[in-house]
Amino acid sequence: DVKVTQSSRYLVKRTGEKVFLECVQDMDHENMFWYRQDPGLGLRLIYFSYDVKMKEKGDIPEGYSVSREKKERFSLILESASTNQTSMYLCASRRARGYTFGSGTRLTVV
Amino acid sequence: AQKITQTQPGMFVQEKEAVTLDCTYDTSDQSYGLFWYKQPSSGEMIFLIYQGSYDEQNATEGRYSLNFQKARKSANLVISASQLGDSAMYFCAMRETDSNYQLIWGAGTKLIIKP
Repeated sequence: DVKVTQSSRYLVKRTGEKVFLECVQDMDHENMFWYRQDPGLGLRLIYFSYDVKMKEKGDIPEGYSVSREKKERFSLILESASTNQTSMYLCASRRARGYTFGSGTRLTVV
Repeated sequence: AQKITQTQPGMFVQEKEAVTLDCTYDTSDQSYGLFWYKQPSSGEMIFLIYQGSYDEQNATEGRYSLNFQKARKSANLVISASQLGDSAMYFCAMRETDSNYQLIWGAGTKLIIKP
């Protein structure tokens, strides 16, 4: 089974800090995704990547950037964290008929 | 306009009963895929079932089945013989043809199974 690992389950950061959320998958998948999940809003796509060094903006890219230097690793970067970026962040990797998700990172910005 | 609509924000169901979670979708594509995911309180998203728009049979996976009504654009999830462990958020999602494999998500339904 594909494993998608997010480096942290819980993070607390201060406003203005640069924050890195890491995601690693172990099945050589080309497509990887970063979502943000907020109550009542479902999942919203921040960025996705379809290959190394390739990235595309999703629905809510403002305030975020991403990095894909190696196929297995897709990083989400909050250049200057703000309180409205407090949320659950989910990474996913595409498989044949579905997507495998990591266990999520709950980020709180204070 | 909403592309995926889940009209039930929350549901209470007695253990061992069957439960149907509603999902309607909106697309002009002929080829698309529909997914259901479960998210327990632990936060991970668990893939449950997939239905392709050209699949002739309704998808089934163990206790999960998908009631696919193409003309009505509905893809309801049916859980038979519900268990306490089924308590979770359930999300319906759609992938359209030229979407770069992006998924469009519904807002979710919180299902609580009562003992």
